[in-house]
Amino acid sequence: EPEVTQTPSHQVTQMGQEVILRCVPISNHLYFYWYRQILGQKVEFLVSFYNNEISEKSEIFDDQFSVERPDGSNFTLKIRSTKLEDSAMYFCASTRDGRGTQYFGPGTRLLVL
Amino acid sequence: QQQVKQSPQSLIVQKGGISIINCAYENTAFDYFPWYQQFPGKGPALLIAIRPDVSEKKEGRFTISFNKSAKQFSLHIMDSQPGDSATYFCAATSNTGNQFYFGTGTSLTVIP
Repeated sequence: EPEVTQTPSHQVTQMGQEVILRCVPISNHLYFYWYRQILGQKVEFLVSFYNNEISEKSEIFDDQFSVERPDGSNFTLKIRSTKLEDSAMYFCASTRDGRGTQYFGPGTRLLVL
Repeated sequence: QQQVKQSPQSLIVQKGGISIINCAYENTAFDYFPWYQQFPGKGPALLIAIRPDVSEKKEGRFTISFNKSAKQFSLHIMDSQPGDSATYFCAATSNTGNQFYFGTGTSLTVIP
């Protein structure tokens, strides 16, 4: 069964450093999403992406964040200058037609020291 | 503003019992209501979902009940098993490509 994959599974970085989180959505999906989940809290929407542009973003997704689909398979989230409060689990999700089920990847646990 | 409110925060059920988790939403434009199951260290996995044109959907031991007028929906897990112990999130969304609004989660523990 096709699934969303994410790399790395864990990332430790120093405050102020740039990180890139990578996702490979399900191959025939067209809509892509990033969410984050701070430990013990709910899943929060960051951004949605369709047709090579951002379609929606939350207040969390400020100028420090960017997304890109550099090729036909990868979907990346870049945090330009990490802050301590960026420590969280980051989930990528995708859906084929933008309606219905979003399929989530296993997540990348980011720890900012 | 919290778009989706979920309760209870935690739930302990005996094996074989019924687990019930409730959610309420505000936005009448929401038209898709999934439930996700999450195990520690894993991503949310779709459990079951419903659209507002039906009042109930059942898949195996899992049932969603939907009350459109009250803007509420609930997850019922029949014959709860220790393997069901996980965190459950309700969510809601509308239109095409839009974000999912998640509830705050319910930590379910099923005691053998």
